[in-house]
Amino acid sequence: ETGVTQSPTHLIKTRGQQVTLRCSSQSGHNTVSWYQQALGQGPQFIFQYYREEENGRGNFPPRFSGLQFPNYSSELNVNALELDDSALYLCASSPGLAEGETQYFGPGTRLLVL
Amino acid sequence: AQSVTQLGSHVSVSEGALVLLRCNYSSSVPPYLFWYVQYPNQGLQLLLKYTSAATLVKGINGFEAEFKKSETSFHLTKPSAHMSDAAEYFCAVRRGSGGSNYKLTFGKGTLLTVNP
Repeated sequence: ETGVTQSPTHLIKTRGQQVTLRCSSQSGHNTVSWYQQALGQGPQFIFQYYREEENGRGNFPPRFSGLQFPNYSSELNVNALELDDSALYLCASSPGLAEGETQYFGPGTRLLVL
Repeated sequence: AQSVTQLGSHVSVSEGALVLLRCNYSSSVPPYLFWYVQYPNQGLQLLLKYTSAATLVKGINGFEAEFKKSETSFHLTKPSAHMSDAAEYFCAVRRGSGGSNYKLTFGKGTLLTVNP
């Protein structure tokens, strides 16, 4: 069984640019959540997708947007990059929305904004 | 709203010693609680979770945690530390708000170092 995968592993961008990060969910999982982990901090919830629809959103500006595809893979898009967007971006998938469901995390994409 | 407080950003123990990592939560409703471990330059791996079935939860790699409602705590323990346990540990709570948002809320993490 393949776990959650993310691409790319590392990325360097400059301020004002746009970036797209990708996530393939674990087989059989229809829910994907994205988190931002700044250096030395715990992950912060960005948003969640369930069956191609946004199911919830954290305290992030609209320039953070996402998509979920019919195969339940997902993209995170960030426009107008700022220096503070430098972080590890984690994707997590789960089999459904139940509160006791485990979220399985990918290895993350480390984004550096210069 | 729910939140998680991890007491101690850095814990250092000797190999073979007891590991105790503290987590306190606040939630207006009974929570679901999780402990994750993060090794350097990696994602998060689930150690264990509490979903109200039993207050003492056993996880992987010899870790366990006890849910204490009266103390609003969910501390993580391991009887004997191994060098391979050196990592960052995150406590997280999950509870929907308004029935539409099932995010995990994480603590700031505790870095565990194990000395030979």
